[in-house]
Amino acid sequence: AQSVTQLGSHVSVSEGALVLLRCNYSSSVPPYLFWYVQYPNQGLQLLLKYTTGATLVKGINGFEAEFKKSETSFHLTKPSAHMSDAAEYFCAVIINAGNNRKLIWGLGTSLAVNP
Amino acid sequence: GAGVSQSPSNKVTEKGKDVELRCDPISGHTALYWYRQSLGQGLEFLIYFQGNSAPDKSGLPSDRFSAERTGGSVSTLTIQRTQQEDSAVYLCASSLATGPYGYTFGSGTRLTVV
Repeated sequence: AQSVTQLGSHVSVSEGALVLLRCNYSSSVPPYLFWYVQYPNQGLQLLLKYTTGATLVKGINGFEAEFKKSETSFHLTKPSAHMSDAAEYFCAVIINAGNNRKLIWGLGTSLAVNP
Repeated sequence: GAGVSQSPSNKVTEKGKDVELRCDPISGHTALYWYRQSLGQGLEFLIYFQGNSAPDKSGLPSDRFSAERTGGSVSTLTIQRTQQEDSAVYLCASSLATGPYGYTFGSGTRLTVV
């Protein structure tokens, strides 16, 4: 079955430190991959996505993610965490890209940024 | 509209009452999704509409839940005889029909059943 696994439901970093949020997926065909962010009491906002082409994609707020087919991973990174990055982050994948149906979602990772 | 609009933003209801939640998707987006997000939980898929096709209702948790989409635009999620476990944030999203597009989410309706 298709699935998305986010390692670590809670991640805590210091302000200015590297942010690394892990996402692995299972798929036998090339997927389309997404990261969404949800700030407190708000809806979900698209951070970045990978469809085709360059495997390193850049998103909003200084985040980026790299699609590694051999590792079936799409980890999210940011070189220097800011207090405003504290939020819930969700990884998602569309497996059947010809039919934009349900995204398969990870359970989310809550990022805390400590001063 | 410019974004996905959901109403009401907050709803408090008594156990056993029926509630209706509304979603107005982005104009031109033929795909519409409803999700439920409980406190500290991930996203639970409820139902998916795509154009004139029969909706995918596989995520509806019970027959107390139903949804419709009129004219391929506005959608209403109805919960009958609400229970306390129905308390959650209900999120609506829309997207273009095909292609590698993500969803655009509304801000959600926070439902509290007391």
